[in-house]
Amino acid sequence: EVQLVESGGGLVQPGGSLRLSCAASGFTFSSYAMSWVRQAPGKGLEWVSAISGSGGSTYYADSVKGRFTISRDNSKNTLYLQMNSLRAEDTAVYYCAKGGNGYCSSGPDYWGQGTLVTVSS
Amino acid sequence: QSVLTQPPSASGTPGQRVTISCSGSSSNIGSNTVNWYQQLPGTAPKLLIYSNNQRPSGVPDRFSGSKSGTSASLAISGLQSEDEADYYCAAWDDSLNGSWVFGGGTKLTVL
Repeated sequence: EVQLVESGGGLVQPGGSLRLSCAASGFTFSSYAMSWVRQAPGKGLEWVSAISGSGGSTYYADSVKGRFTISRDNSKNTLYLQMNSLRAEDTAVYYCAKGGNGYCSSGPDYWGQGTLVTVSS
Repeated sequence: QSVLTQPPSASGTPGQRVTISCSGSSSNIGSNTVNWYQQLPGTAPKLLIYSNNQRPSGVPDRFSGSKSGTSASLAISGLQSEDEADYYCAAWDDSLNGSWVFGGGTKLTVL
């Protein structure tokens, strides 16, 4: 059974940093692309970033480019999202999602339960 | 403003058939497949349809998807109260460096 468990969310001041983690199990982690998708309170889904199965390709939404970094450790079956220079508009539930294959163009098929990030002074 | 355009709301009575549209462009729906997601209140999204019209195992055949040109649709037949949820379309967008784009979501109400 595919399981994705996010952690690392919390309250952070504007301009601060946070690192999210997503522990994956139930599938061959290195064979699948992974994404982060966020949802602001009462709003729709917004794709944030994706990384290929090998980690060799990464993609970012314009809203986070230059501030967020996606990475993965295939030996630990873990996905990360390093978030710097956080802004109030980054406040959201962040979901980790598994892709349908190793390429980032393959859409998310399984989602974690999400971790809440609140950016506020 | 979402790249993919969905109606903000839809409704139907139990047993009815409802459709939700999703409009995009040549760089996303026009050149890539469409996924649909269902998000029940307070829960994470769940994949409902992938590759335009394929259902993952466990998804009832009451749910179906289609695509034509730069638009896609999700149809739900035999509407049930438990179908009340938010529905999102999504597609890979080839413009710039590539990205995933979502619709703004459609809130389905079962009357």
